[in-house]
Amino acid sequence: KNEVEQSPQNLTAQEGEFITINCSYSVGISALHWLQQHPGGGIVSLFMLSSGKKKHGRLIATINIQEKHSSLHITASHPRDSAVYICAVRSETSGSRLTFGEGTQLTVNP
Amino acid sequence: KAGVTQTPRYLIKTRGQQVTLSCSPISGHRSVSWYQQTPGQGLQFLFEYFSETQRNKGNFPGRFSGRQFSNSRSEMNVSTLELGDSALYLCASSSGGPSTQYFGPGTRLLVL
Repeated sequence: KNEVEQSPQNLTAQEGEFITINCSYSVGISALHWLQQHPGGGIVSLFMLSSGKKKHGRLIATINIQEKHSSLHITASHPRDSAVYICAVRSETSGSRLTFGEGTQLTVNP
Repeated sequence: KAGVTQTPRYLIKTRGQQVTLSCSPISGHRSVSWYQQTPGQGLQFLFEYFSETQRNKGNFPGRFSGRQFSNSRSEMNVSTLELGDSALYLCASSSGGPSTQYFGPGTRLLVL
């Protein structure tokens, strides 16, 4: 079993829909990252969380440390949100090392 | 502030050769991490350098090595290339500790 699991693996939505991507992990963590990767490979860091909730524009990230679960929400989705979203954790015992989920491929149709 | 830069962006090598990739972090960042991304294995951590010292290492063979210079620029080297080393190699810089990582555009390596 992977230390970090994401669901769904693929997600297709219509423009304007509310989107949720989930991430579950099995180790104690010091931080959780949500990343966005567009075709061509460039990765952008969206959020880094260690507790609670963060919001940036139409994106919201939440984390429940007790349940070892995080969600990334996109409100009023747009075709430009189409990308791969990756969850990564920094465990308490592995220092700076990040362990990644497999990613969620999101396609938003106009 | 300039972002993280990586050179070269694309590289084609043959089996048995060696390769050196370069990463220049954001000014002021002292931590540089390297990652390998393949379709089969996804993103995997290679190693992290902080103030010229390797601080953490992933589960890769000794053919993968790296170093960091006093200006925080980092290089990674892969010796005796194998077909399976074909991948996108990403570096990311941060100020150190559990802070946001800023990724470079990556170097796409193809081993023939």
